[in-house]
Amino acid sequence: EVQLVESGGGLVKPGGSLRLSCAASGFTFSIYSMIWVRQAPGKGLEWVSFISSSSSYISYADSVKGRFTISRDNAKKSLYLQMSSLRAEDTAVYYCARVDSVLSSIDPWGQGTLVTVSS
Amino acid sequence: DIVMTQSPLSLPVTPGEPASISCRSSQSLLHSNGYNYLTWYLQKPGQSPQLLISLGSDRASGVPDRFSGSGSGTDFTLKISRVEAEDVGVFYCMQALQTPPYSFGQGTKLEIK
Repeated sequence: EVQLVESGGGLVKPGGSLRLSCAASGFTFSIYSMIWVRQAPGKGLEWVSFISSSSSYISYADSVKGRFTISRDNAKKSLYLQMSSLRAEDTAVYYCARVDSVLSSIDPWGQGTLVTVSS
Repeated sequence: DIVMTQSPLSLPVTPGEPASISCRSSQSLLHSNGYNYLTWYLQKPGQSPQLLISLGSDRASGVPDRFSGSGSGTDFTLKISRVEAEDVGVFYCMQALQTPPYSFGQGTKLEIK
């Protein structure tokens, strides 16, 4: 079964840092691009970051550029999101998801991990 | 960046009745290969989004055939032939032509009357 499991969320003060992890299983992680998408409470979906299969191409939404860093470890089948200089508006559920380049779709999605930025 | 606009944002439907959601993109999503790079997702309450339809009209594995996607260029529609109680949630369209960035519509909340 293809599965993505996020971890690392929690409560952090404004200006603080947090590292999210996403553990992949059930598929050949190393050949897929991956993304992070977030959803603020009661709001819609917002793409955060993209990383290609070999990490050769990385992209960020303007809202997180310079503050967040995406990375992956193909040997560990894991995706990461290092978040720094966190703001209240970064409060959201963060989902990791697999990119299907053939169908140009995002599938599957993890269950999400909640990040709350508050003093 | 491509902007996605959905309507309506709220959709109350009686079980057994049909439902339709519109999604418009600020640029054509029609690729030179003939496919429309438009994807539909459903986020059920308390769950993560699940893939319904890719490439404009291809149902994902396990998706009931009461769901169908149509349209081309900048105008797309998701239709549910007969709404069931389990269809409650928020539907999102997403453009997959110029990625990244991945841009989503605002979401359409389907509720049962």
